[in-house]
Amino acid sequence: DVKVTQSSRYLVKRTGEKVFLECVQDMDHENMFWYRQDPGLGLRLIYFSYDVKMKEKGDIPEGYSVSREKKERFSLILESASTNQTSMYLCASSPPSGREETQYFGPGTRLLVL
Amino acid sequence: LAKTTQPISMDSYEGQEVNITCSHNNIATNDYITWYQQFPSQGPRFIIQGYKTKVTNEVASLFIPADRKSSTLSLPRVSLSDTAVYYCLVGPANTGGFKTIFGAGTRLFVKA
Repeated sequence: DVKVTQSSRYLVKRTGEKVFLECVQDMDHENMFWYRQDPGLGLRLIYFSYDVKMKEKGDIPEGYSVSREKKERFSLILESASTNQTSMYLCASSPPSGREETQYFGPGTRLLVL
Repeated sequence: LAKTTQPISMDSYEGQEVNITCSHNNIATNDYITWYQQFPSQGPRFIIQGYKTKVTNEVASLFIPADRKSSTLSLPRVSLSDTAVYYCLVGPANTGGFKTIFGAGTRLFVKA
């Protein structure tokens, strides 16, 4: 089974702090994603990476950056956390382009910015 | 990108069949239809995917009419544990999922 793990289930940070959210997948997937999920808004794509050191902006990249130095690890960085970044953050990975567009999700990190 | 429309919520009782319909009028020729399930405090998980006609697996069936402008996820004999949010996604193949969009989903509540 594919396993996607996220470094924390819950995080509490203060406004202005730099926040790192880590995601690791064990299936050698090329593609990795970061989403945030807010009530009534579904999942919104923040960033996407299709290879090591490669990244693409999603729908809401403002206030975030990402890092992919190794294939299995994709980090989301909040350079200066703000209260409007309080949310559930979900990481996902998917196999190389093909017919099955299945994304495998981690358990999520619930971030509270005070 | 094809936008999807699905009911915000549905209620059902244990043992009933549940059908959740998703509209995607602007679906493109190379788009696939995928459904995910999400339980509280968990990430979504893949349920089923199809391109046309009918697809069935151990969890659900997916019905897609010839015009492909809608699709119906069918859950046979639901149980309390099927209470979850169900997302319908439409997107092209060969993109690694990048061009798919998660909407707000349908919140299914199964009662005893």
